[in-house]
Amino acid sequence: KNQVEQSPQSLIILEGKNCTLQCNYTVSPFSNLRWYKQDTGRGPVSLTIMTFSENTKSNGRYTATLDADTKQSSLHITASQLSDSASYICVSQRGNRGGGNKLTFGTGTQLKVEL
Amino acid sequence: GAVVSQHPSRVICKSGTSVKIECRSLDFQATTMFWYRQFPKQSLMLMATSNEGSKATYEQGVEKDKFLINHASLTLSTLTVTSAHPEDSSFYICSARRTGDNSPLHFGNGTRLTVT
Repeated sequence: KNQVEQSPQSLIILEGKNCTLQCNYTVSPFSNLRWYKQDTGRGPVSLTIMTFSENTKSNGRYTATLDADTKQSSLHITASQLSDSASYICVSQRGNRGGGNKLTFGTGTQLKVEL
Repeated sequence: GAVVSQHPSRVICKSGTSVKIECRSLDFQATTMFWYRQFPKQSLMLMATSNEGSKATYEQGVEKDKFLINHASLTLSTLTVTSAHPEDSSFYICSARRTGDNSPLHFGNGTRLTVT
């Protein structure tokens, strides 16, 4: 069954601290792994996209990692800011052959950054 | 960068009426757009894939006669919720991408539908 599981479900950290969000996927065939940030009441915004051959990708203070062998990904946020408070969604895309390019969405990690 | 505009952002309607939601790609042509539904604290659920010039492809369990999709141009797709009921109240989001399966999806800002 194609699934994407994220942990933790929610997280509260102090401003300036770092944090790491986890994502496990069981999608096959695998095409790519995406991380999105979704502010409350808004549409998701793309942070990173990684294919099978990519182990890490950064976007400013966001760094995503991918281990295609263990089917795990993480999103590390450095020096958190209040504006980082949002839901972070892990999404895995299936390959075209046998997968139809379908996207499978995780339920997200709700991050709250406090003073 | 690419922008997807969704309108309206909020709509309140009475039970039994129909509501139309627009999704526009502002600076690129999108042959394919996607419509999602999201309940509070839940993941986005794909409802249908909107294909320009042809019929939409609906996911299992989504009523095509209730959720009418029209993709009449390369920059506009519409979702019409017909004969709305309170259980249709949800957050509806569209997305589009330029070309290429590995390109990022650009999402609209969603439409909060409340049916009274």
